[in-house]
Amino acid sequence: GNSVTQMEGPVTLSEEAFLTINCTYTATGYPSLFWYVQYPGEGLQLLLKATKADDKGSNKGFEATYRKETTSFHLEKGSVQVSDSAVYFCALKKVTGGGNKLTFGTGTQLKVEL
Amino acid sequence: EPEVTQTPSHQVTQMGQEVILRCVPISNHLYFYWYRQILGQKVEFLVSFYNNEISEKSEIFDDQFSVERPDGSNFTLKIRSTKLEDSAMYFCASSESSGTYEQYFGPGTRLTVT
Repeated sequence: GNSVTQMEGPVTLSEEAFLTINCTYTATGYPSLFWYVQYPGEGLQLLLKATKADDKGSNKGFEATYRKETTSFHLEKGSVQVSDSAVYFCALKKVTGGGNKLTFGTGTQLKVEL
Repeated sequence: EPEVTQTPSHQVTQMGQEVILRCVPISNHLYFYWYRQILGQKVEFLVSFYNNEISEKSEIFDDQFSVERPDGSNFTLKIRSTKLEDSAMYFCASSESSGTYEQYFGPGTRLTVT
């Protein structure tokens, strides 16, 4: 079946450091790929998405490229801020008969310190 | 900005009791979902709902679970006889349509079964 594997956290970085959170997936066909972020006390928010191979999703300085050859969708940011501290979830979706379920990874907690 | 709301934020119940978790999806959305996350584990899909019927459900969503849209604004998840292993964070989500449309998540209800 479909699955998503993320690097384990917590990841602790200093402000302005470079961020990479690894995500790989297993799926048949061509899933859409997503990164969701959860700030403390809030729901999951879509951060970015990519719907086909070689697409790059980007938002708020975060980027991720859909790499079909390595089945990866790693999240990157060039310079993190304290306000980026949150839990980041990688997810995939395959549309199957109208279900549209998301398959998530375990989430990676990011802590950014001054 | 419209948002998905969930009540209560935390529910404590005894094993064997029935619980109802409530969600108010975004008003013009047509697809509704429940997910859950057991502490330290992945966010897991439970069920999707469209046009007043279940469109997809996971193996987790057995006869102990049911969903309902009782009044055109609320979307509920009922667990008939709770077990210890039902303790988790339950997330409601909604989307305007299927396919690559974003799923908007609520902040979650933490269910603790004692």
